[in-house]
Amino acid sequence: DAKTTQPPSMDCAEGRAANLPCNHSTISGNEYVYWYRQIHSQGPQYIIHGLKNNETNEMASLIITEDRKSSTLILPHATLRDTAVYYCIVRGQGGSEKLVFGKGTKLTVNP
Amino acid sequence: GAVVSQHPSWVICKSGTSVKIECRSLDFQATTMFWYRQFPKKSLMLMATSNEGSKATYEQGVEKDKFLINHASLTLSTLTVTSAHPEDSSFYICSARDRQGWEKLFFGSGTQLSVL
Repeated sequence: DAKTTQPPSMDCAEGRAANLPCNHSTISGNEYVYWYRQIHSQGPQYIIHGLKNNETNEMASLIITEDRKSSTLILPHATLRDTAVYYCIVRGQGGSEKLVFGKGTKLTVNP
Repeated sequence: GAVVSQHPSWVICKSGTSVKIECRSLDFQATTMFWYRQFPKKSLMLMATSNEGSKATYEQGVEKDKFLINHASLTLSTLTVTSAHPEDSSFYICSARDRQGWEKLFFGSGTQLSVL
């Protein structure tokens, strides 16, 4: 079972920041938080991951609370192409560790 | 990022036939690959984990004789749906991990299987 809880859907205006929350209150010390997104009828796309520090890359920023029980994915300037289902996943360390997908958040970016 | 190629992107077959789906890592060596299936408007469900040169590990409830997985090389894994039936119609997606780093998993573009 997925170890995360996300709102089923969110809306965002084009050009504004999209902040997607995720709860993972049972996360253990060696588990990472991953974010993927899936645009309709495509394979998931990696966005970002982190352990306990905040992370930023060219796609997004990941803010993890100090107690690591929740996190927020930030898309700083959402575009229409960012409309997708966003999955927050907790994954253990190691090459054989699986990605178990929950239901995700359907983000709709509106013009 | 790393590229995972999945083929075919869609396939239609008759009930009772077998279908093979290929998953290739194009610019990296994949020690571990994962196979998922996804029904319409549902999330991805992990079917099995395959490690190069060894037998796949199947998730509970997934029939290993129905869904044959072969991971014979570091760049290729195949999923064969044997004696396909209409209820096997689904979106199948593979994922691969670079042997140089376990942290990132990259996904193929998926295969839509329709069994008539």
